[in-house]
Amino acid sequence: AQSVTQPDIHITVSEGASLELRCNYSYGATPYLFWYVQSPGQGLQLLLKYFSGDTLVQGIKGFEAEFKRSQSSFNLRKPSVHWSDAAEYFCAVAEGGSNYKLTFGKGTLLTVNP
Amino acid sequence: KAGVTQTPRYLIKTRGQQVTLSCSPISGHRSVSWYQQTPGQGLQFLFEYFSETQRNKGNFPGRFSGRQFSNSRSEMNVSTLELGDSALYLCASSLGPGAEQFFGPGTRLTVL
Repeated sequence: AQSVTQPDIHITVSEGASLELRCNYSYGATPYLFWYVQSPGQGLQLLLKYFSGDTLVQGIKGFEAEFKRSQSSFNLRKPSVHWSDAAEYFCAVAEGGSNYKLTFGKGTLLTVNP
Repeated sequence: KAGVTQTPRYLIKTRGQQVTLSCSPISGHRSVSWYQQTPGQGLQFLFEYFSETQRNKGNFPGRFSGRQFSNSRSEMNVSTLELGDSALYLCASSLGPGAEQFFGPGTRLTVL
């Protein structure tokens, strides 16, 4: 069965600093990979996704992620964090085709210090 | 275009009762998925509907059920509520199976 591990439960960074959130997945075939963000009391917003092709994907709000098959990783990065980026971030993997469903990691809570 | 709407946003029930949650997908979307979010278990897939048919189901007891109507709106029902059913229930819609999912704001269910 597919699974997702986000090793960091909580990360604190200073505003303007760079950010990297880690995500490792377990899945037999080529996965569909996603990063979502959730602000308090809100639903999930898709930041970016990887289906195939270029392993470096660009998303909204200045985020990017790199798919590394050899490391089974899909880490999320941002060069300069803004206070409004404080939220919880979820990595997810999905099977493709007719058996499509999302399996989420436990999330990483990001705190941004002024 | 309006997003995914979920009603009600907040709900308080007592153990043993049943509850029905509603989800209206984005116009034109025919697939609806439901997820349960709790602090302990995180986000877990409940089920997916497409064209009024359940296509996929997560590992939840039979107390959890759902359905989809011809206009793609979906409801999920939880019977004989338990304290552990307290959670944020999220609905997501997409054009079809395998397409990008758009999430609603969720329904916060509290079971006392």
